[in-house]
Amino acid sequence: QVQLVQSGTEVKKPGASVKVSCKASAYSFTGYYMHWVRQAPGQGLEWMGWINPKSGDTNYAHKYQGRVTMTRDTSITTAYMEMSRLISDDTAVYYCARGGTIFGVVQHPYDYWGQGTLVTVSS
Amino acid sequence: SYVLTQPPSVSVAPGKTANITCGGNNIGSKSVHWYQQKPGQAPVLVIYYDTDRPSGIPERFSGSNSGNTAALTISRVEAGDEADYYCQVWDSSSDHPGVFGGGTKLAVL
Repeated sequence: QVQLVQSGTEVKKPGASVKVSCKASAYSFTGYYMHWVRQAPGQGLEWMGWINPKSGDTNYAHKYQGRVTMTRDTSITTAYMEMSRLISDDTAVYYCARGGTIFGVVQHPYDYWGQGTLVTVSS
Repeated sequence: SYVLTQPPSVSVAPGKTANITCGGNNIGSKSVHWYQQKPGQAPVLVIYYDTDRPSGIPERFSGSNSGNTAALTISRVEAGDEADYYCQVWDSSSDHPGVFGGGTKLAVL
């Protein structure tokens, strides 16, 4: 069955960077967009951006441009989300979520999600 | 950027029908997806493209979308339906295209 398995909890200091991984299995990794969504404690879901795993093309929400980088390693079917210059407001659970096929529309819903990675930013 | 408005909470007795709304400017012209999230868990897709149900989602879950309001309807509500529900649309013209509503906490009395 399709699985997205994310890396473990991270604790970072303000100003540091974090890189979260998302290992995909049981489907064609390069055939589907991968999106990243975050959720601050007690808050709602916030879309961050997507990566086309086949081409490496990305699209980030405006507020994250310049601070977030989404990459992938197709040889190990893993997507990554790296965020730099962390602040306390970046404390959140970060999810990867599979979108639609790269040959379809990017606004297809997210049918599989990772388990989430808690990133805590604290001095 | 595009804004989706959901009521913070909805309460319903077991066996009754819950309606969770999602308001947005001319949302009827967009495709709406709905996610269910239980505490400590990742979201689960329950309705997509306004009215479609993924396999494994009970027929009790249905959706509608027209004008400025989309809605998720849960019939014959069960205790296990208690969760947060989020609507989502894609606004290609925005610099933040993947838009989620603020979420609605469904309480089963």
